[in-house]
Parts: sequence; structure tokens; C-alpha cells
Amino acid sequence: NAGVMQNPRHLVRRRGQEARLRCSPMKGHSHVYWYRQLPEEGLKFMVYLQKENIIDESGMPKERFSAEFPKEGPSILRIQQVVRGDSAAYFCASSPWTEGNEQFFGPGTRLTVL
Amino acid sequence: DAKTTQPPSMDCAEGRAANLPCNHSTISGNEYVYWYRQIHSQGPQYIIHGLKNNETNEMASLIITEDRKSSTLILPHATLRDTAVYYCIVRVGNGNQFYFGTGTSLTVIP
Repeated sequence: NAGVMQNPRHLVRRRGQEARLRCSPMKGHSHVYWYRQLPEEGLKFMVYLQKENIIDESGMPKERFSAEFPKEGPSILRIQQVVRGDSAAYFCASSPWTEGNEQFFGPGTRLTVL
Repeated sequence: DAKTTQPPSMDCAEGRAANLPCNHSTISGNEYVYWYRQIHSQGPQYIIHGLKNNETNEMASLIITEDRKSSTLILPHATLRDTAVYYCIVRVGNGNQFYFGTGTSLTVIP
């Protein structure tokens, strides 16, 4: 059973470009979470999605950031008009359900904005 | 608001038990305590979790105090590969998000 997969592993963008980060959850998992980790800091929750629904986006910046988890295909975290402050590691996690269950994390995508 | 408090760093001799403390004095009755670790810049790795009772698995043991306001993660025989940042986590919000805090940087010394 393959783990959580994220791609690309490394992404370089210039200021003003768009970044699209993909996450394929573990097989059988219908819950996806996105976290951001700035250098020398812990992970910060961004958004929680189930298939075709955003359940909790309380950690998402109000502008330029969006997330989706379509019925078919991976979850996408989209950052429009990137700025240097968006440079970070973005981790995706998945779980089969929420209550009392652990989240399994992917290897992360490291975004660098030039 | 920080839900957990951990020492920023600890050292442990190889082969000895590593005991990592965590305070979670505001934990609610239905909130689980989770432990994860992050080696270098890899994705966090699940270690163990519990609600009220002590738990043990092949990686570690979790001791939760009776009042649930603190817990200790025990790595029984630390190896060099256990060098990592260890996060004690309590679910926040409606149970969807993990609050990672800054964790404890454990260094296992040969």
C-alpha cells in the first residue's frame, strides 16, 4: 500500500507566478489535510478536505491560496501570484476518518520563490 | 494558543531510554494526545497516540497522567536514527487539525 504521495518534491517559481502542489492520499483515505512549514518552525495547519468538500479552511490565507479535492484525482493546493514569503515546505496528510485516528504524511513539496 | 508545551531540546545516550515530556494542561476530555517525529526535513512520522490509558507499540510507549494534563513519550532503547524533532500534539478545533508547536529536538549521542 503506497503512502501519501506529493509532487513535485521541489518547485521553483518566480514572484507573481502560480504554484500548483499535488497530493495523492493513501488508498482508501478520503480525508486530506494540508500543512505549511516555514524554516525552523513547526507545521501549521492550512486546510482540511474531504472528497469534493472543504471542511475546515481556518488556516488558509485569505487571498491567493485555494485548495480542492475532486471526486477523481489528487488534491491540489494552488497558490496564485506567489511572493517570497510563500517559500516553505508544504505537507499533505491523509486519514481514513477523523475521530481518534492518525494522519499519515507525505514527503512534502519544497517551494522556493525567487 | 499553544495547546502543548515541550522542552526545546534534549540529549540521550545511545542505548538508553529517551523520556520526552509534554504538558497539555488545557486538554479536553475527548481530545487525543498524538506524538509524531520529523527527521531532517522529511514528512512527520506517526509514533503513537492515546486518550486516557497508557499505550505501547513497536516504536514507543506513551504514559498519560491520570489528570491527562501531561504525558511522556518513552523510546526504550534510543538509537542514532532516533535523532529528530518530536512533536506532542493535541487536536484542536473540531478535531480536524493537528497543532504541532515547536517540538523537542532530540539528539542521540553515541
